[in-house]
Amino acid sequence: AQTVTQSQPEMSVQEAETVTLSCTYDTSESDYYLFWYKQPPSRQMILVIRQEAYKQQNATENRFSVNFQKAAKSFSLKISDSQLGDAAMYFCAYRKNTGNQFYFGTGTSLTVIP
Amino acid sequence: EAGVAQSPRYKIIEKRQSVAFWCNPISGHATLYWYQQILGQGPKLLIQFQNNGVVDDSQLPKDRFSAERLKGVDSTLKIQPAKLEDSAVYLCASSIGQGTFTDTQYFGPGTRLTVL
Repeated sequence: AQTVTQSQPEMSVQEAETVTLSCTYDTSESDYYLFWYKQPPSRQMILVIRQEAYKQQNATENRFSVNFQKAAKSFSLKISDSQLGDAAMYFCAYRKNTGNQFYFGTGTSLTVIP
Repeated sequence: EAGVAQSPRYKIIEKRQSVAFWCNPISGHATLYWYQQILGQGPKLLIQFQNNGVVDDSQLPKDRFSAERLKGVDSTLKIQPAKLEDSAVYLCASSIGQGTFTDTQYFGPGTRLTVL
C-alpha cells in the first residue's frame, strides 16, 4: 500500500523568508504523480504544484518549487518570499499513474510570522 | 466556472442519529470523490464514482455509510447510525475523469460533522 509521510506537523517562517516542507512516500511503482495541496482555514483544498515521477526536472510554480528525489522517495516543497496568505495546512499527496485515487499525508501546518 | 458545492457546511447530531451530506460537482466532471478528514489527519478516500458507477469503496464502512450518485451528477453521502468517531470534515471533490496527470481534483469547502 502507498503511504505518504509528512514528518513536520508544524512549521513557521518569517514573512519574505524561505521555508521547506518535507514529504516522503512509499511505493513500488515506477510511474506516478505527486502533489502538494494547500488547505487554508476556510478548508477548501487548492492544488499548489504537481510533479510527474518520470520527469527529473523539478516543477516550479511562481514562488513554489519542489525538490523531487525519486531514489530517496522524497518530495519537498519550497516556498520562497513567504507571504501571510501562505499560512495554511499543506498536504503532500501521491497518485498512481492509473486510476485517480489520492493518498494524502497528515499535513504540515505553516504559520507565517509578520 | 462554479466550484464544487457542498451542503450543509456544519452539522451537529447525537450518536445513533442519521445524517446526509450533499455534493454538486463541477459541471462536466465525470469523477466524484468523498473523503473523510479527521482532525489532525489527511483526507482519507471513502468512495470514488466514475459517472454513476462506483470505482472504489474499499474504505467505506458499509455497515453504516452509504453513498449514491444519481444520474452521474449530484451525490449524497449518508451515515446511519452515526458514531462518535464519525466526527470529521467530509470533503467532496471532482475531476474530469481522464486519469491523466493534468486531471486535477477540485475540492469543495467540506461539511464539518460533530457527533455528540
